[in-house]
Amino acid sequence: GAVVSQHPSWVICKSGTSVKIECRSLDFQATTMFWYRQFPKQSLMLMATSNEGSKATYEQGVEKDKFLINHASLTLSTLTVTSAHPEDSSFYICSARDPTALLNYGYTFGSGTRLTVV
Amino acid sequence: QQQVKQSPQSLIVQKGGISIINCAYENTAFDYFPWYQQFPGKGPALLIAIRPDVSEKKEGRFTISFNKSAKQFSLHIMDSQPGDSATYFCAASMGNFNKFYFGSGTKLNVKP
Repeated sequence: GAVVSQHPSWVICKSGTSVKIECRSLDFQATTMFWYRQFPKQSLMLMATSNEGSKATYEQGVEKDKFLINHASLTLSTLTVTSAHPEDSSFYICSARDPTALLNYGYTFGSGTRLTVV
Repeated sequence: QQQVKQSPQSLIVQKGGISIINCAYENTAFDYFPWYQQFPGKGPALLIAIRPDVSEKKEGRFTISFNKSAKQFSLHIMDSQPGDSATYFCAASMGNFNKFYFGSGTKLNVKP
C-alpha cells in the first residue's frame, strides 16, 4: 500500500531557530499534500494544503510566513517552522494523496514529527 | 466552529465487550466518513470508512453505522481487545481532492 515517510520523527530546537520537516511519498506520486498540527490529547487541525507546483493554501489563523510549505516535486513536501518559539511545540503530521488509489480517496498519513522548542 | 463533534472523550471497556464511539456533523455536503486509529507518537491510520448511500459497513470486528437523516455516524468495535486501546478519530470530507475535518478524538482503554 501507499507509504508516506516523515522525517525527522522528533526534533528539539532552540527558540528562534528554524526547523524543516520532510514528508515523502515513497511509492506513489502525491499531487496533493496536507499538513496537520496536533496538540497533546487534541484532534488534528489542518494547517495548509499544498499542490505540487503551486503555492500552499493556508487555513485561517495559520501564519504562512511562519510555516513555510514547499511542494516542489510529486514525492516531497516540506514544512519549515521559522523562528520557532515554545508555543510552536507540537506534533506535526503530513498526509499525502495517491491519485491512483480508490480506498479513502488515497490519503495516507505520515508517522508524525514531534517538535519541541526550548 | 467544529464541523464534526465526537463523543465520548474517553471510554473504558472490558476485554470482549463492545466499544461504541459516536460522531455528528452539520454539513450535508460531506460525502465520505472515515474512522482513524492513532497510537501514541504515530500518525493516524485508516480503520474503516463509509459513504452516505449505505447505512452500515462492517469489516471484521469494526462496524460503522450511518444515519443520514440524523447526520450521525458511529463506530462499533465488537469483542474489544487490549490491542484496540488507542485514540480513535472520526472525520468527514466532501468531494474529491479535499481536506478532512476531524472529530475531537476518543481515547479507548480496553481492560484485560
